[in-house]
Amino acid sequence: GQQLNQSPQSMFIQEGEDVSMNCTSSSIFNTWLWYKQDPGEGPVLLIALYKAGELTSNGRLTAQFGITRKDSFLNISASIPSDVGIYFCAGWRYGNKLVFGAGTILRVKS
Amino acid sequence: DTAVSQTPKYLVTQMGNDKSIKCEQNLGHDTMYWYKQDSKKFLKIMFSYNNKELIINETVPNRFSPKSPDKAHLNLHINSLELGDSAVYFCASLTNTGELFFGEGSRLTVL
Repeated sequence: GQQLNQSPQSMFIQEGEDVSMNCTSSSIFNTWLWYKQDPGEGPVLLIALYKAGELTSNGRLTAQFGITRKDSFLNISASIPSDVGIYFCAGWRYGNKLVFGAGTILRVKS
Repeated sequence: DTAVSQTPKYLVTQMGNDKSIKCEQNLGHDTMYWYKQDSKKFLKIMFSYNNKELIINETVPNRFSPKSPDKAHLNLHINSLELGDSAVYFCASLTNTGELFFGEGSRLTVL
């Protein structure tokens, strides 16, 4: 089936550091979404990407839709303690199933 | 106002019982989903409805039966609960630009 490989699985970083995570696939996607999930909550949409090469920011977050349409990355600059959580990439191919990566667990040392 | 609301948030029950989770969205969207999140946090699609019609049924056991009385509601009924059904179940609603908005989840524990 359609698979999204998300890495790293987890990260433990110092407050103030920049963070980078990515998703890759052997299939082409026509939309990429990045979500964050806090404990006990549902995933919340951070950034949506619709075109190959698109670079979009949301505050300290920046995400890019890879030019090959098979990958996307998310950067968080100057991390703070409330950035902890699980980050998911998700992609639409053709049809109506949004496929999720396995998530990146982010832990921040203050 | 919560855009996608699920009830109950927590459900603890015995094996063999039947239970339901309700979901409502006030966003005016036509398409809604149920996802299951396991203990490893993997999000797996279960069902999707578009304007009360089932459009995705992702090889879920037929003990799981979704029902959509109208396009703002998508409920999930589970018969004969098993231990492996323990998970967090998320309802979600889809915008016409492909953005999925999730509810807060319903944590089901089967004892």
